[in-house]
Amino acid sequence: AQTVTQSQPEMSVQEAETVTLSCTYDTSESDYYLFWYKQPPSRQMILVIRQEAYKQQNATENRFSVNFQKAAKSFSLKISDSQLGDAAMYFCAEKASGSRLTFGEGTQLTVNP
Amino acid sequence: DTAVSQTPKYLVTQMGNDKSIKCEQNLGHDTMYWYKQDSKKFLKIMFSYNNKELIINETVPNRFSPKSPDKAHLNLHINSLELGDSAVYFCASSQDLAGQGSGETQYFGPGTRLLVL
Repeated sequence: AQTVTQSQPEMSVQEAETVTLSCTYDTSESDYYLFWYKQPPSRQMILVIRQEAYKQQNATENRFSVNFQKAAKSFSLKISDSQLGDAAMYFCAEKASGSRLTFGEGTQLTVNP
Repeated sequence: DTAVSQTPKYLVTQMGNDKSIKCEQNLGHDTMYWYKQDSKKFLKIMFSYNNKELIINETVPNRFSPKSPDKAHLNLHINSLELGDSAVYFCASSQDLAGQGSGETQYFGPGTRLLVL
């Protein structure tokens, strides 16, 4: 069974600074996909970034980038130049081949002005 | 314009009642899902349908019955509601042949907050 662990229930960052959210996962599959979703107070689940495990290059989307360490089964999210609108609950998720999307427990990010 | 929509957004009801939540996606996706988010914000899949066929059925009480009239709709009917059913329910969809190994992104609806009194 897949498990996804986010060891930081809460994180905070100053506006314009950089923050890294941690995520580790456990799967025996070789073909899988990793995701970070953001859930602001509006409750909407929004995709932030997606990584295919077979790709060595780390995914990047504007101010959001990941550090994908396949051997260590680690998938951290870096947010650069943090903005007030980045404040949200962030969920790491993994989907293995032929299986379902498994979420971590979430990290609540606060952005301080 | 909304890609994945759910109705209603809020649902307050008494224990023992029967209620339904509707979901529609206009993305042309093959697969739809229902997730439950509990009070600790933990998200867990309940059901998945691919082209109207049930693919995933997690350990969910049989008071919960999904229905997919067509591949753009996946409704969730809940019988004999209990206090523990209070949660936020999310519908999602993806262009993903479930079980075929694709890791396409799942797009979520806005959620339905269910409160059982």
